[in-house]
Amino acid sequence: AQSVTQLGSHVSVSEGALVLLRCNYSSSVPPYLFWYVQYPNQGLQLLLKYTTGATLVKGINGFEAEFKKSETSFHLTKPSAHMSDAAEYFCAVTPGYSSASKIIFGSGTRLSIRP
Amino acid sequence: DTGVSQNPRHKITKRGQNVTFRCDPISEHNRLYWYRQTLGQGPEFLTYFQNEAQLEKSRLLSDRFSAERPKGSFSTLEIQRTEQGDSAMYLCASSFSEDRGFEAFFGQGTRLTVV
Repeated sequence: AQSVTQLGSHVSVSEGALVLLRCNYSSSVPPYLFWYVQYPNQGLQLLLKYTTGATLVKGINGFEAEFKKSETSFHLTKPSAHMSDAAEYFCAVTPGYSSASKIIFGSGTRLSIRP
Repeated sequence: DTGVSQNPRHKITKRGQNVTFRCDPISEHNRLYWYRQTLGQGPEFLTYFQNEAQLEKSRLLSDRFSAERPKGSFSTLEIQRTEQGDSAMYLCASSFSEDRGFEAFFGQGTRLTVV
């Protein structure tokens, strides 16, 4: 079975500061990992994904994440926060061995940006 | 293609009434998911289809919930005898199963309020 833990339900950073959102996963098989962003009253938009290959993946809006198998982590970072980054962020996992499976989401981290 | 479409966007119903939501996936996608999201939580898996076959249904889904995907195209989610606890955002997503690093595309959701 797969699960996701997002540490910190709310993160606040100053504009221009580093953004770090933490995600740890549990999976009995090699996972596929995702980060999604959700703006108020909207659906989810994919930021980036890890499947195989390079463990550092780059996504939209300057975000990136690194898959660390030894730490079972997939933390999301952005070097310099922008006011438009304020949103809810969800880490998600699905087993990589089979395409016939559901995606499991974490409980989310709300990112606030201080002027 | 305009993406995943969900209708209606908002639904207010009285307790005990039945409601039905519709999801139109991206046309070439053969997989369709339903999730439920309550305030401050991540999306919670309800069920998913590959073509017209319902492959998995969450144990959290009571017998009052039913989903269909006739002909493997659009899907409907029906809730019978609604309860106040059913108030949530209902999200639909679709993907293409042949893409092993599959990316699920989400609709904007249907917000249900049971009064």
